[in-house]
Amino acid sequence: ELKVEQNPLFLSMQEGKNYTIYCNYSTTSDRLYWYRQDPGKSLESLFVLLSNGAVKQEGRLMASLDTKARLSTLHITAAVHDLSATYFCAVNSGAGSYQLTFGKGTKLSVIP
Amino acid sequence: NAGVTQTPKFQVLKTGQSMTLQCAQDMNHEYMSWYRQDPGMGLRLIHYSVGAGITDQGEVPNGYNVSRSTTEDFPLRLLSAAPSQTSVYFCASSYLAGGRETQYFGPGTRLLVL
Repeated sequence: ELKVEQNPLFLSMQEGKNYTIYCNYSTTSDRLYWYRQDPGKSLESLFVLLSNGAVKQEGRLMASLDTKARLSTLHITAAVHDLSATYFCAVNSGAGSYQLTFGKGTKLSVIP
Repeated sequence: NAGVTQTPKFQVLKTGQSMTLQCAQDMNHEYMSWYRQDPGMGLRLIHYSVGAGITDQGEVPNGYNVSRSTTEDFPLRLLSAAPSQTSVYFCASSYLAGGRETQYFGPGTRLLVL
């Protein structure tokens, strides 16, 4: 059974600081996703990581994937208040599978 | 393109009632799926479809039925609503092309079962 663990689950950080959210998964997969969700809203797709060593960046967010360690990171650089949201990672259950298992999410609060 | 649309936005049901949550997409995506999101949890997959006429169960399928008669529509049916089905339901569609995936989520349906 595929398990996806995110940590931390809650993160309060000051504006301008850097931090990393971690996503570990338990079985082999070929796709890892990061999403953002604002309160009361739907999910917004941020990144899809397909291969070992993949790195993608958008603004202050950078995601990377280490398939050997079954670990992905979402790095936040110089946080701003607008980044406050809940971030989810999700992993597909095997090569070519569309079935996704989600982590429980990391609720990020960026305070001035 | 309207993207992924879901109706209704909100619904209150009594235990034992049945209803259908509608999901439609106009992007010609082959893959569609239904998730539920409960407080403090990530999303859990209920059912998914890889094309018209093809559906399969996800992690939490009990109490729900789906069908996919067209590429555009993927309705989710609650057969006999229970309070445990109180949740926010999201429909999603996606496709893979050239190693790149494009994925969209609908706005969600908030369901309360009394």
